[in-house]
Amino acid sequence: KNEVEQSPQNLTAQEGEFITINCSYSVGISALHWLQQHPGGGIVSLFMLSSGKKKHGRLIATINIQEKHSSLHITASHPRDSAVYICAVRGETSGSRLTFGEGTQLTVNP
Amino acid sequence: KAGVTQTPRYLIKTRGQQVTLSCSPISGHRSVSWYQQTPGQGLQFLFEYFSETQRNKGNFPGRFSGRQFSNSRSEMNVSTLELGDSALYLCASSLSTGLREQYFGPGTRLTVT
Repeated sequence: KNEVEQSPQNLTAQEGEFITINCSYSVGISALHWLQQHPGGGIVSLFMLSSGKKKHGRLIATINIQEKHSSLHITASHPRDSAVYICAVRGETSGSRLTFGEGTQLTVNP
Repeated sequence: KAGVTQTPRYLIKTRGQQVTLSCSPISGHRSVSWYQQTPGQGLQFLFEYFSETQRNKGNFPGRFSGRQFSNSRSEMNVSTLELGDSALYLCASSLSTGLREQYFGPGTRLTVT
């Protein structure tokens, strides 16, 4: 079993829909990251969180440390949100080392 | 402020050769981490450098090595290339080691034939 599990692996939505991507992990962590990767490879860090909830524009990330679970929500989805979303965790004793989930391929159709 | 830069962006090498990839972090950032991304294994941590010292290493063979210079620029080297080394190699920089936001470069796509 992977240390970081994401679901779903693939997600297709219509423009305007509310989207949720889930991430579960099995190790103690100091932080969890949500990353976005567009075709071509470039990765953008969306959130780094260790508790509670963060919001940036239409994106919301939450984490429940006790349940070892995080969610990434996208409100009013848009075709430009189409990308791979990756959850990554930083272990309690692993410094800057990140362990990644397999990613969720999101496609938003107009 | 300029972002993280990686050179070259694309590279084709032959099995058995060696390759050196370069990463220039954001100005002021002293930590550089390297990652490998393949379709089969996804993203995997290679190593982290901070203040010219390797701070952390992933589960890769000794053919993979790196270093960091006094200006925080980092290089990674892969010797005796294998077909399975074909991947996107990403570096990320942060202000320091530990609990810091990481900023990723565009990656170097290495193809081994």
